[in-house]
Amino acid sequence: SAVISQKPSRDICQRGTSLTIQCQVDSQVTMMFWYRQQPGQSLTLIATANQGSEATYESGFVIDKFPISRPNLTFSTLTVSNMSPEDSSIYLCSFTTGAGQPQHFGDGTRLSIL
Amino acid sequence: GIQVEQSPPDLILQEGANSTLRCNFSDSVNNLQWFHQNPWGQLINLFYIPSGTKQNGRLSATTVATERYSLLYISSSQTTDSGVYFCAVTNAGNNRKLIWGLGTSLAVNP
Repeated sequence: SAVISQKPSRDICQRGTSLTIQCQVDSQVTMMFWYRQQPGQSLTLIATANQGSEATYESGFVIDKFPISRPNLTFSTLTVSNMSPEDSSIYLCSFTTGAGQPQHFGDGTRLSIL
Repeated sequence: GIQVEQSPPDLILQEGANSTLRCNFSDSVNNLQWFHQNPWGQLINLFYIPSGTKQNGRLSATTVATERYSLLYISSSQTTDSGVYFCAVTNAGNNRKLIWGLGTSLAVNP
């Protein structure tokens, strides 16, 4: 099955700055997703990354704060903009090959904002 | 929308013990996955099991779709089994969006 890699694995950032997280799959996949996991919580879907078009955001998440790119069927980025301590979380990307198929996750990016 | 409930929320075991984790869901599903999140935050895909029974080493899972629950069995637990176990589902209403339970936090003591 396809392998997904995510980087950076962790970072410590200053408030007010932005960080871009990259996700690479070693084969073309239909759907890619970005999740946030706040400390001690379950995962929350931020958005579905659509190839060649704007991402589809879930309620509570906006493009200005979490811009997403997906230039092709193997790569996506998530930017966390104008960070505040409340953005300290694990951010994970995932992919699936089709509706009803299993999702596979990257190792996550552990982000801390000072 | 569909609700996912996991039990127990917390579990402490001695190494070598067996355990059963439960996932209840409120509507029919077309995808059910069990994940293990280790203490470093990595999310490991354990089973894709919308129905039936599967086994992988010391772990096995059973989903009874008609009764809307799934069970994850851990036998002869080891300290490396510690972490949080999540159940997540999709249903026909939204085939792409995984709906997550709150997880079961497992600690296995030596």
